[in-house]
Amino acid sequence: AAGVIQSPRHLIKEKRETATLKCYPIPRHDTVYWYQQGPGQDPQFLISFYEKMQSDKGSIPDRFSAQQFSDYHSELNMSSLELGDSALYFCASSRPGQGGGDTQYFGPGTRLTVL
Amino acid sequence: DAKTTQPNSMESNEEEPVHLPCNHSTISGTDYIHWYRQLPSQGPEYVIHGLTSNVNNRMASLAIAEDRKSSTLILHRATLRDAAVYYCILSRNYGQNFVFGPGTRLSVLP
Repeated sequence: AAGVIQSPRHLIKEKRETATLKCYPIPRHDTVYWYQQGPGQDPQFLISFYEKMQSDKGSIPDRFSAQQFSDYHSELNMSSLELGDSALYFCASSRPGQGGGDTQYFGPGTRLTVL
Repeated sequence: DAKTTQPNSMESNEEEPVHLPCNHSTISGTDYIHWYRQLPSQGPEYVIHGLTSNVNNRMASLAIAEDRKSSTLILHRATLRDAAVYYCILSRNYGQNFVFGPGTRLSVLP
């Protein structure tokens, strides 16, 4: 079965640079979520999109922005990178009618290292 | 958001059953109970979810208390590959983000 695809898998940037992370949801999934997981921490919700509109916002810094495109893929743009942005970034997708609730399927993540 | 409480860590022997508890005393009537697990440096993996009735799938079973204030994830025969952090998460509506708590770190001993 198709899974969530994230690219790149690894990214190394310098402080104050920008980074773009991409997420390709499972086909026919219309909702995308972004989570950040720092070293030794639990995943924290950043932002989500439903049908290309932002649906919820968590602890996402103002330096970050995201969008969902017409083909439902999503991009997380990060500017003025700081050392503390080094983390694993996960994308998850879901769709209605999955037997109740909201089963989110996570991608393998992008490991961002800021030097 | 309704909160969940799980033990920080648990140990099991290989090929033995494992019962991972989760307390969610403030659960609302429309909250689904989800279980995910995460191996190091991998994305969280869906395990099972339910609303009121016990659920079974190829990975595990979910036993939900009658008052829904607690639930138990049951791995019928633990393997070394089951060693992971297990998260119990409540989700009210479709499209609601997940709030990950500390989870339970399961160690499986050979």
